[in-house]
Amino acid sequence: DAGVTQSPTHLIKTRGQHVTLRCSPISGHKSVSWYQQVLGQGPQFIFQYYEKEERGRGNFPDRFSARQFPNYSSELNVNALLLGDSALYLCASSLVVRANIQYFGAGTRLSVL
Amino acid sequence: GQQVMQIPQYQHVQEGEDFTTYCNSSTTLSNIQWYKQRPGGHPVFLIQLVKSGEVKKQKRLTFQFGEAKKNSSLHITATQTTDVGTYFCAGMNGGSQGNLIFGKGTKLSVKP
Repeated sequence: DAGVTQSPTHLIKTRGQHVTLRCSPISGHKSVSWYQQVLGQGPQFIFQYYEKEERGRGNFPDRFSARQFPNYSSELNVNALLLGDSALYLCASSLVVRANIQYFGAGTRLSVL
Repeated sequence: GQQVMQIPQYQHVQEGEDFTTYCNSSTTLSNIQWYKQRPGGHPVFLIQLVKSGEVKKQKRLTFQFGEAKKNSSLHITATQTTDVGTYFCAGMNGGSQGNLIFGKGTKLSVKP
């Protein structure tokens, strides 16, 4: 079975642009969470979606938004990119909503110049 | 807000030596999870501890959850080069959101 897949793997943007990152969860998983991992730090929670509804939001500005589709795939959108948004963006899927075991994708490496 | 702290930040060991990383939470946790991230990779789930005082073993790895459910540790016996990576603990509080709060991780390097 395929694991969590994320696209693209790498992305280079300039300040002020917007970006859309995509994630497909493991088949049968209905919960998708997004994390931001800055170099040398642990993953920081951004959003969790379950059954297409937002179930949790971390301490990130409104420039960050996400949604989940009927097939449980998800998009993370970031507007008005800042240099500080450069990071590895990880998507994780889980069976249920309450911090069940997280299965991470390989991530999208975003560089903002 | 809730914080999860890990020490040490880095650990360099000779192959065959033991390794321990410690995790402390500012609040009581409903459970704690441990993940391993290899260089250039993504976090991979190792184990989840739920009960106060729980101890679980996976071959050379021993995981403990404190009696007060505010701290945890991971001990690796006789490290091998395959143990290289960053070990993260992640705690879930008892709130309704149930999202994970990750520590900053302990980066382990093993000299052969």
